[in-house]
Amino acid sequence: DTGVSQDPRHKITKRGQNVTFRCDPISEHNRLYWYRQTLGQGPEFLTYFQNEAQLEKSRLLSDRFSAERPKGSFSTLEIQRTEQGDSAMYLCASRLGTGAPTDTQYFGPGTRLTVL
Amino acid sequence: AQTVTQSQPEMSVQEAETVTLSCTYDTSESDYYLFWYKQPPSRQMILVIRQEAYKQQNATENRFSVNFQKAAKSFSLKISDSQLGDAAMYFCAYRRGSGGSNYKLTFGKGTLLTVNP
Repeated sequence: DTGVSQDPRHKITKRGQNVTFRCDPISEHNRLYWYRQTLGQGPEFLTYFQNEAQLEKSRLLSDRFSAERPKGSFSTLEIQRTEQGDSAMYLCASRLGTGAPTDTQYFGPGTRLTVL
Repeated sequence: AQTVTQSQPEMSVQEAETVTLSCTYDTSESDYYLFWYKQPPSRQMILVIRQEAYKQQNATENRFSVNFQKAAKSFSLKISDSQLGDAAMYFCAYRRGSGGSNYKLTFGKGTLLTVNP
């Protein structure tokens, strides 16, 4: 079990640039989540995938944000025309999808984005 | 909408002592789950303990236990025999139960726990 991985771990960009983050879930997990965590706050839900289908998007996910999960494997989160307010830790989580109470979300280490 | 409140931004405990972290939540649902997650500095978040709302018995995992008061909508975490490795940010989280839910988590703001040697 290699766990959830995210790349890059850190990203510094200038305002107005586009950035893309990648998440590789645990291999047999078909549910995938993106969360955003700003300083002093808990993670906030952004979007959810069941296999390759994006089934829910938070109102936090503005038009500048897009997420994909081609073939139901890895996922990417792209932010276009970054703003300073986008600076945050972006967390990815995955779960097996059985619906059982023990169906836990496993988190990756996150990508810390700093927009200058 | 569900909300989770952690009223203690920071807590400290002496090594080997016991500490309790508080969490309250608000929901109109009857079927839900509550969690405590631990986020060590610069490391990924891991699940500490889970409580199903339909279970009256409080969950226990080794040195970690919860006090689940459903009527009061309170869900506190007790850490016994605290160890230096327990130092971390602790998040209380809520999840709806079954019935078409995507099982997204709603988190509190967290409590930063310091363990003093």
